[in-house]
Amino acid sequence: EDQVTQSPEALRLQEGESSSLNCSYTVSGLRGLFWYRQDPGKGPEFLFTLYSAGEEKEKERLKATLTKKESFLHITAPKPEDSATYLCAVVYGQNFVFGPGTRLSVLP
Amino acid sequence: GAVVSQHPSWVICKSGTSVKIECRSLDFQATTMFWYRQFPKKSLMLMATSNEGSKATYEQGVEKDKFLINHASLTLSTLTVTSAHPEDSSFYICSARWSDQETQYFGPGTRLLVL
Repeated sequence: EDQVTQSPEALRLQEGESSSLNCSYTVSGLRGLFWYRQDPGKGPEFLFTLYSAGEEKEKERLKATLTKKESFLHITAPKPEDSATYLCAVVYGQNFVFGPGTRLSVLP
Repeated sequence: GAVVSQHPSWVICKSGTSVKIECRSLDFQATTMFWYRQFPKKSLMLMATSNEGSKATYEQGVEKDKFLINHASLTLSTLTVTSAHPEDSSFYICSARWSDQETQYFGPGTRLLVL
């Protein structure tokens, strides 16, 4: 069964404590994997698109990587303003499917 | 770039009335627009996909007569919730992409409360 999962469901970090979020997928014919950030009461904000295994992209404190089965979003030395829900999504065939998200809290 | 707006951001209506939500791509031509619904602390649920000038394609379980979608131009799509009921209260989010791109860019969302 095609599926997109994210772990952990929630993560609490101290400011400066680096960590990684995971997005695992079991779909056929992946055409792209996306990371978004969503703040409460707002629409998702685009972060990265990854197309093939081995690809990496970086933006400020965030780095996204992709393998054939999963993607990681690495957060280096996070700040309180990085607190948000991080969503991954995959596109395969005619489908664009979101994972359930990881709620990240960064404490000062 | 890739800015998508929604209007209104907040709407309260009485049960039985219809509500229209607009989604606009401000700086690109959106050949395809999507409408999502999101429940509290849940991920986005795709409702329908619309291509400019064509009828929308609805996901299974979404009533097309209840949620009317019009994508009349390359920069505007509208979602009309007809005869709204309290169970239609939710956060509605649109997204858009242009022709040969997979990435969807999202609007800020519209919170609907039906009394």
